[in-house]
Amino acid sequence: AQKVTQAQTEISVVEKEDVTLDCVYETRDTTYYLFWYKQPPSGELVFLIRRNSFDEQNEISGRYSWNFQKSTSSFNFTITASQVVDSAVYFCALSGGYGGSQGNLIFGKGTKLSVKP
Amino acid sequence: NAGVMQNPRHLVRRRGQEARLRCSPMKGHSHVYWYRQLPEEGLKFMVYLQKENIIDESGMPKERFSAEFPKEGPSILRIQQVVRGDSAAYFCASSVRGYEQYFGPGTRLTVT
Repeated sequence: AQKVTQAQTEISVVEKEDVTLDCVYETRDTTYYLFWYKQPPSGELVFLIRRNSFDEQNEISGRYSWNFQKSTSSFNFTITASQVVDSAVYFCALSGGYGGSQGNLIFGKGTKLSVKP
Repeated sequence: NAGVMQNPRHLVRRRGQEARLRCSPMKGHSHVYWYRQLPEEGLKFMVYLQKENIIDESGMPKERFSAEFPKEGPSILRIQQVVRGDSAAYFCASSVRGYEQYFGPGTRLTVT
């Protein structure tokens, strides 16, 4: 069975602090995809990143960075120098790599990040 | 480029009525997905469709729920005889085959 665990329910930081959101996944597939989505207070879901299981390179996009480690089944997300606009619920998700299983995103329960000025 | 469009954004139905939620995918996307977000359960996959085909409906409740993505027009998620437990946010996403899913703004369904 596939599963995504985001153990941190809520995190509160002060602006300019760095913050890491944890994501641990379970899957028996050898090919799979991992995702992060952001859900701001307005409610929409914003795609942040997609990573396939064969690419363990860390990725950096501006203040965002992602650390994918297959050995620990983790795909953690770090925001550097956090800003108030980063306040949102962040979801980690997993999908299979083939056919119909690609369509079924398994979401974690999300981590609510509050960045205070 | 227009993103994924969903309408209505908010829908109120009385118990026993039908709810129809519409989703227009991004231009060039032929794959559509529906998810439901309940307060205590998080985001759950419901169904994955291509034009005129249901690819995976493993997350759809067995009764009262149906989905379609016709050759022409938007994808429709239909809930018959709604109950209070159907109150949730329903999100549609679209993609090009095998690529990331982009989500619409969601439809908030309230059943009174």
